[in-house]
Amino acid sequence: EAGVVQSPRYKIIEKKQPVAFWCNPISGHNTLYWYRQNLGQGPELLIRYENEEAVDDSQLPKDRFSAERLKGVDSTLKIQPAELGDSAVYLCASTLAGGAYNEQFFGPGTRLTVL
Amino acid sequence: DAKTTQPPSMDCAEGRAANLPCNHSTISGNEYVYWYRQIHSQGPQYIIHGLKNNETNEMASLIITEDRKSSTLILPHATLRDTAVYYCIVRNNYGQNFVFGPGTRLSVLP
Repeated sequence: EAGVVQSPRYKIIEKKQPVAFWCNPISGHNTLYWYRQNLGQGPELLIRYENEEAVDDSQLPKDRFSAERLKGVDSTLKIQPAELGDSAVYLCASTLAGGAYNEQFFGPGTRLTVL
Repeated sequence: DAKTTQPPSMDCAEGRAANLPCNHSTISGNEYVYWYRQIHSQGPQYIIHGLKNNETNEMASLIITEDRKSSTLILPHATLRDTAVYYCIVRNNYGQNFVFGPGTRLSVLP
């Protein structure tokens, strides 16, 4: 069984450029999470989807970040324009359901470097 | 903010038990204790979780104190592959998000 797939694994861009990350969750998982992880810190939730609905985006910096999960399957996280402080690892995770406990499965992440 | 406190780092000799402590003095009655770990360049991986009773699975054991204000994750025979950052998280089962703190960096030494 394939795990959570993310691409690209690494991305280097100059500040003010746009960037997008893609995530394909485990088949059948209707809850999808995007996290940002700064160096030496634990992951911080950016947004949580239940199917195609963003049920918690309170931590998403909406001036420059956007996300979509149009068909309730794969998802894209976008930053436009990127700033130096956006350098981090962006992790995607999925679970069967976000309410009752189900194990979160994480992808390998995308390491973003903004120059 | 994370509701748990963990030591920033620990060392353990290969083959010995690794005991990772976690304080969660403000835990609510409906909150579970979860442990995840993150090996370098990978996403976090679920280890174990529990409410009141001690739990054991193929990866580890979780010991929760009677007052539930602290817990210990035990890796009974640590190997070099157990070198990772270990996160202790408290969360209810009603849709509350996982809040990760900085965790404990465990180094298993040969």
